[in-house]
Amino acid sequence: AQTVTQSQPEMSVQEAETVTLSCTYDTSESDYYLFWYKQPPSRQMILVIRQEAYKQQNATENRFSVNFQKAAKSFSLKISDSQLGDAAMYFCAYGAGSQGNLIFGKGTKLSVKP
Amino acid sequence: SQTIHQWPATLVQPVGSPLSLECTVEGTSNPNLYWYRQAAGRGLQLLFYSVGIGQISSEVPQNLSASRPQDRQFILSSKKLLLSDSGFYLCAWSAGTGVAYEQYFGPGTRLTVT
Repeated sequence: AQTVTQSQPEMSVQEAETVTLSCTYDTSESDYYLFWYKQPPSRQMILVIRQEAYKQQNATENRFSVNFQKAAKSFSLKISDSQLGDAAMYFCAYGAGSQGNLIFGKGTKLSVKP
Repeated sequence: SQTIHQWPATLVQPVGSPLSLECTVEGTSNPNLYWYRQAAGRGLQLLFYSVGIGQISSEVPQNLSASRPQDRQFILSSKKLLLSDSGFYLCAWSAGTGVAYEQYFGPGTRLTVT
């Protein structure tokens, strides 16, 4: 069965600094997608970035980028120039197959210090 | 533009009482619909998904059920709530079948079973 592990329950970063959130997953599939979702205090889940497994190039969305290591089954999220609004729970998710089912990690709570 | 609504926003129910949570999507047709549960300190767990009216797939055996009486309406129900049903329930929709389609989440319902 596929699993997603986020080993950092909490992380803290100084405003304007860079932080990296870790995620590892386990799967026997070769074609899949990986996602990072943000859940601010309002609790609404927002997609931050996604990576298609067959693409070797790491995805980037403005200040957010990923380090996708397919062989190691690792998918970390780097947030550059951290802002106070980045404070939230961040969830790593895995998806494969035709049904759209996502498997989520337990999340990492990110705090941003002014 | 598309919007997704959930109600109620919060709910406190006694053990053994029935449950009905509603999710509606506006601005799109024939969406894929999903119900997730987020327990305290855990990631999201997919409960049900639907690719069309009357078509429901269950991911986790439990005392909950789902129905899709209309194209853009998804209902989560229970005949008798358990304490373990407490949590944050999120509805999501996607434009197509498969993880390549982004899932958009609603604002959620916080359920407390007493």
